[in-house]
Amino acid sequence: IAGITQAPTSQILAAGRRMTLRCTQDMRHNAMYWYRQDLGLGLRLIHYSNTAGTTGKGEVPDGYSVSRANTDDFPLTLASAVPSQTSVYFCASSRLADGTGELFFGEGSRLTVL
Amino acid sequence: GQNIDQPTEMTATEGAIVQINCTYQTSGFNGLFWYQQHAGEAPTVRSYNVLDGLEEKGRFSSFLSRSKGYSYLLLKELQMKDSASYLCAVQSGGYNKLIFGAGTRLAVHP
Repeated sequence: IAGITQAPTSQILAAGRRMTLRCTQDMRHNAMYWYRQDLGLGLRLIHYSNTAGTTGKGEVPDGYSVSRANTDDFPLTLASAVPSQTSVYFCASSRLADGTGELFFGEGSRLTVL
Repeated sequence: GQNIDQPTEMTATEGAIVQINCTYQTSGFNGLFWYQQHAGEAPTVRSYNVLDGLEEKGRFSSFLSRSKGYSYLLLKELQMKDSASYLCAVQSGGYNKLIFGAGTRLAVHP
């Protein structure tokens, strides 16, 4: 089934540990995004990539890093997790490199940092 | 700054019509989306406006006034499965990133 695959679906992590959330899309979309969703705050953009080899910072980038080595994969890394990074993380993609048009979302990764 | 406001919660009766409002202040505007999100699931787009006026898509309609920074989503013939959060999102700024409101949680009662 075409779309966006995120892994893991859910994870409990000790503070200070390193964690990478994986995201893969098979729609050959140019742009990809990572959002976090917290109650009362909605979806907030962490990092984005308009094409392979380029990345940019969103609204809440601190504590997170991304890479875009190819079109399909866009992993999000927490170098040293803290409890405030407990959230649901959504990966998304859009077809055009300029970011216009509909965003398609993955099913989310629920992360708990203790 | 960038700001998108929408009501936190709404309730409605099955078979009725409900209107969810959204006001926005953003640096630039390239389009407005309404996403539906059921609990524990991914958001999916329900409506999209670029120009002023009404866009209709089955039971879902959305209105946009760019001069007023205002949009609404209209849901007709409400069904129980319409109980979900509805997210207003504006495409704005460099690289047309989507900025989301906090969402409106709609509960449909029999």
